Amino acid sequence: GAGVSQTPSNKVTEKGKYVELRCDPISGHTALYWYRQSLGQGPEFLIYFQGTGAADDSGLPNDRFFAVRPEGSVSTLKIQRTERGDSAVYLCASSLNTGNTGELFFGEGSRLTVL
Amino acid sequence: AQRVTQPEKLLSVFKGAPVELKCNYSYSGSPELFWYVQYSRQRLQLLLRHISRESIKGFTADLNKGETSFHLKKPFAQEEDSAMYYCALSVAQGGKLIFGQGTELSVKP
Repeated sequence: GAGVSQTPSNKVTEKGKYVELRCDPISGHTALYWYRQSLGQGPEFLIYFQGTGAADDSGLPNDRFFAVRPEGSVSTLKIQRTERGDSAVYLCASSLNTGNTGELFFGEGSRLTVL
Repeated sequence: AQRVTQPEKLLSVFKGAPVELKCNYSYSGSPELFWYVQYSRQRLQLLLRHISRESIKGFTADLNKGETSFHLKKPFAQEEDSAMYYCALSVAQGGKLIFGQGTELSVKP
């Protein structure tokens, strides 16, 4: 596809369960970002990859959150021992290079609901 | 601290009226600012960036370093402008953006 693809689009889980959210960036985009958007708020930065490595993970709220991008393309955001406060839309974005252009291409998001 | 503030959660205007969506930022470095827009049932997308000094869909935004503002303006609003608008600040190489809380613009016929 031409755009950033995220799966699942919706995930309902129970408190304490483990969740994986997947992001497939635009082909050729080396930079990949994860954001979290709670209701009524703007996107909140979580982590940024340049290639396979996490260049900036300062936004991850705690050690229950982890993300990987093993081959420099698809990325997975992993949340352990989910809590109700983790409920949000998780947005993935990619960009062509590391330049400070600010143009991020966003996916449609994965809506996570923790019961 | 790096922060973006959009004081209005909702802005409602009539078609043809001027629009100004406010954005203020806090950043000690040289700011790079952007406006992103999300139309109903669409994904978040870039509207314009200050460095380009461009007008997109009739919208303009001027960076005012003295007032630390980057307000988005359009002289004559259209119904199709109704959307969520987010102001964003780039704080580091690599494109990491800090977003404001967003302003919902509603343009009534």
